[in-house]
Amino acid sequence: EIVMTQSPATLSVSPGERVTLSCRASQSVSSNLAWYQQKPGQAPRLLIFHASTRATGIPARFSGSGSGTEFTLTISSLQSEDFAVYYCQHYNSWLYTFGQGTKLDIK
Amino acid sequence: EVQLVESGGGLVQPGGSLRLSCAASGLTFSSYAMSWVRQAPGKGLEWVSAITGGGGSTYYPDSVKDRFTISRDNSKNTLYLQMSSLRVEDTALYYCTPGGPPTGWFDPWGQGTLVTVSS
Repeated sequence: EIVMTQSPATLSVSPGERVTLSCRASQSVSSNLAWYQQKPGQAPRLLIFHASTRATGIPARFSGSGSGTEFTLTISSLQSEDFAVYYCQHYNSWLYTFGQGTKLDIK
Repeated sequence: EVQLVESGGGLVQPGGSLRLSCAASGLTFSSYAMSWVRQAPGKGLEWVSAITGGGGSTYYPDSVKDRFTISRDNSKNTLYLQMSSLRVEDTALYYCTPGGPPTGWFDPWGQGTLVTVSS
């Protein structure tokens, strides 16, 4: 099983700031990585797939990068609606696994 | 617009069984692999099963293998999850979502149905 590790667990940031979230895979997943956003009481929403392709309707301030074992999700200028939990997920094999999540808090 | 409506959750005793359903609309259901993903209260996401569009292949992690069975009825645009030998640690919100082999990402997600395993 591929273990996905996200860091940090919690990040306190101010609106307007640029933020970078990290996701590391225990072995190479090529570019087979997705990012999701989950707000309290809501289902997760797909943000990024193929490591860097934005899903339909996702604002351009969200961008993904990386390949192999190291990945990042960048939000260029945090909006109030971006405070949420973010998960990465690999799909390099059918045994899909998620990271434990990074929570973005308002500073 | 894709809509996914899960149902069938509830309170069940350890060792019991439950069947979840997911009614899908707004997509060509048989063209999509489908998955169930769960989230324990206050915890992260865990994929628990997938089935190909035609239903010919199914996939499970070890945590639920031999206890959970995923199936689908493409004539009814409905996905199922039969859960047996339930454990306290199966308590979670269960989401239905298009995704699985060969694509692998999940989009969109239903609102989930809550399964509580407790004596």
